Amino acid sequence: DAGVIQSPRHEVTEMGQEVTLRCKPISGHNSLFWYRQTMMRGLELLIYFNNNVPIDDSGMPEDRFSAKMPNASFSTLKIQPSEPRDSAVYFCASRSGAVKSNQPQHFGDGTRLSIL
Amino acid sequence: LAKTTQPISMDSYEGQEVNITCSHNNIATNDYITWYQQFPSQGPRFIIQGYKTKVTNEVASLFIPADRKSSTLSLPRVSLSDTAVYYCLVGLNAGNMLTFGGGTRLMVKP
Repeated sequence: DAGVIQSPRHEVTEMGQEVTLRCKPISGHNSLFWYRQTMMRGLELLIYFNNNVPIDDSGMPEDRFSAKMPNASFSTLKIQPSEPRDSAVYFCASRSGAVKSNQPQHFGDGTRLSIL
Repeated sequence: LAKTTQPISMDSYEGQEVNITCSHNNIATNDYITWYQQFPSQGPRFIIQGYKTKVTNEVASLFIPADRKSSTLSLPRVSLSDTAVYYCLVGLNAGNMLTFGGGTRLMVKP
């Protein structure tokens, strides 16, 4: 079975440029999560969707970050304009179940983003 | 939001059993305990989940005492490939009710 698919795996760009990260959740999963991982802050939840609707975006650092889920099989995380402090590994995860569910999350292998 | 405390790092040798304990003193009634494993350059991977007593699967066992204020992940006969970071999470999988702490960095030596 295909797991969570993220693209690109690596992205290097200059500050000020727009960055778009993509995620395809596991088929049948109705919840999707975006995380950011850095050495200093560990794994941070940025935003969480259930049935394509954003449920909690309190982790989104600032207005430069935006996330969309136009359908059940695709989500994007966009940073515009990008800054060097946005450099991190960005993970997408998905799971099945209701908003509050004990179903485990399944993670993609992440996008390593470097902003120069 | 239940906060978890686990050792920053542990060392072991191949073939040994490894037990990683996580403290979660303010666990709520509806909270589950979930453990994830993360290798370098990969996303976290679900290992095991439990609510109370003992849970066992093909990879690990999870021991949860009656008061549920702690839990222990047990990895039988570890190998070099078990070197990874192990995260203990407490809560329902709902938004920021599920927060990853610093994890335990397990190093398995030959």
